[in-house]
Amino acid sequence: QQQVKQSPQSLIVQKGGISIINCAYENTAFDYFPWYQQFPGKGPALLIAIRPDVSEKKEGRFTISFNKSAKQFSLHIMDSQPGDSATYFCAASKRSGGYQKVTFGTGTKLQVIP
Amino acid sequence: DAGVTQSPTHLIKTRGQQVTLRCSPKSGHDTVSWYQQALGQGPQFIFQYYEEEERQRGNFPDRFSGHQFPNYSSELNVNALLLGDSALYLCASSLSGVDEQFFGPGTRLTVL
Repeated sequence: QQQVKQSPQSLIVQKGGISIINCAYENTAFDYFPWYQQFPGKGPALLIAIRPDVSEKKEGRFTISFNKSAKQFSLHIMDSQPGDSATYFCAASKRSGGYQKVTFGTGTKLQVIP
Repeated sequence: DAGVTQSPTHLIKTRGQQVTLRCSPKSGHDTVSWYQQALGQGPQFIFQYYEEEERQRGNFPDRFSGHQFPNYSSELNVNALLLGDSALYLCASSLSGVDEQFFGPGTRLTVL
């Protein structure tokens, strides 16, 4: 199974609040888990990524929490700002024969209101 | 560094026609991947090119084909267009052996 399930589909958060987006995967062969941010009319931009040997990674206001046994990972956006309003995609990839294949979640549309 | 560039930005075709989309990777990158993103959905992997050969392929029919040139730029060709091919087509580049992918702005294809 290559599926990556993402929730919620949409999220409204007050400015200064914490935004939390969750993803679950099935294939234990996945070895790289990136999060992308996409603004309307633009391509996805890499935000932060983690490998399964690490349980948490933080970069500025963005933190990934990873639970290998549960096959789940989540993105936390601290002190959410209106400029964070975008669609967020989790993804998972594995290498096969030295080449990478990436599977994306269905996306979460985040709206941060002032 | 211009990053990943794609052309054209928008394209309108009719059913049955053929289309070619182009991608120039980020400077220093040698691997190009193509994705289809339908409205409101996540990108779906089409295929990946390295050393001018298709190395990985997603669940897309043979109507979707590609090419990589010696300068690492790439083309995506779609034949016999269907209404369902309407989507944003994204190109992502990376360096062989490195997991990070960088996406271009995409080409919006509309099939009428």
